[in-house]
Amino acid sequence: QVQLVQSGAEVKKPGASVKVSCKVSEYTLTELSMHWVRQAPGKGLEWMGGTDPEDGETIYAQKFQGRITMSEDTSTDTAYMELSSLRSEDTAVYYCAALQWERLTTAEEDNWFDPWGQGTQITVSS
Amino acid sequence: SSELTQDPAVSVALGQTVRITCQGDRFRNSHASWYQQKPGQAPVVVIFGQDNRPSGIPDRFSGSSSGNTASLTITGAQAEDEADYYCSSRDSSGNQWGFGGGTKLTVL
Repeated sequence: QVQLVQSGAEVKKPGASVKVSCKVSEYTLTELSMHWVRQAPGKGLEWMGGTDPEDGETIYAQKFQGRITMSEDTSTDTAYMELSSLRSEDTAVYYCAALQWERLTTAEEDNWFDPWGQGTQITVSS
Repeated sequence: SSELTQDPAVSVALGQTVRITCQGDRFRNSHASWYQQKPGQAPVVVIFGQDNRPSGIPDRFSGSSSGNTASLTITGAQAEDEADYYCSSRDSSGNQWGFGGGTKLTVL
């Protein structure tokens, strides 16, 4: 059973960057399509980006284009999400989640996020 | 990109049935998945595909869809079902994923 373990909480100043890690165990990272989701205090889930399960291309949410970089180290089965030019609105819990995917027909598919990491609190404050 | 719309809050009496809905135009190509999130915890998938439950999820949880609306039904709600529920789907262009705004379920 896949397990995802994330790095610990961090406090950053506005304008800085943060890099969150997500260590995979019981599977190899190359077998997974890893995605990142964040949740601001008292708010809902927000998809940030991830790997397309069909072609392996990294896709970012339009909102984060230019500020986000997702990467992988297959030698350690660790995925990373780096967010730059941080501002107070980036204060949130950041989750990694493995996308499960099944093609049903040429036009239809099913996909769902399972499992999730435990979350990493990132606080942006001067 | 298209949005997924959920009612912000729903309540249900203990043991009764409740349906949580998710409206959007993404469901032509894929079914919605549903996530339960309790305070201070990571989300957990409760329904995926047409109506599939991961192991460990009680069979009182079920999923369905009709047109532009996906639904999560809890038949015989229990106190431990009180949580936030989110729907999710990939958009029809295939380039973005997204989540509904979430529904806070209160079990009375």
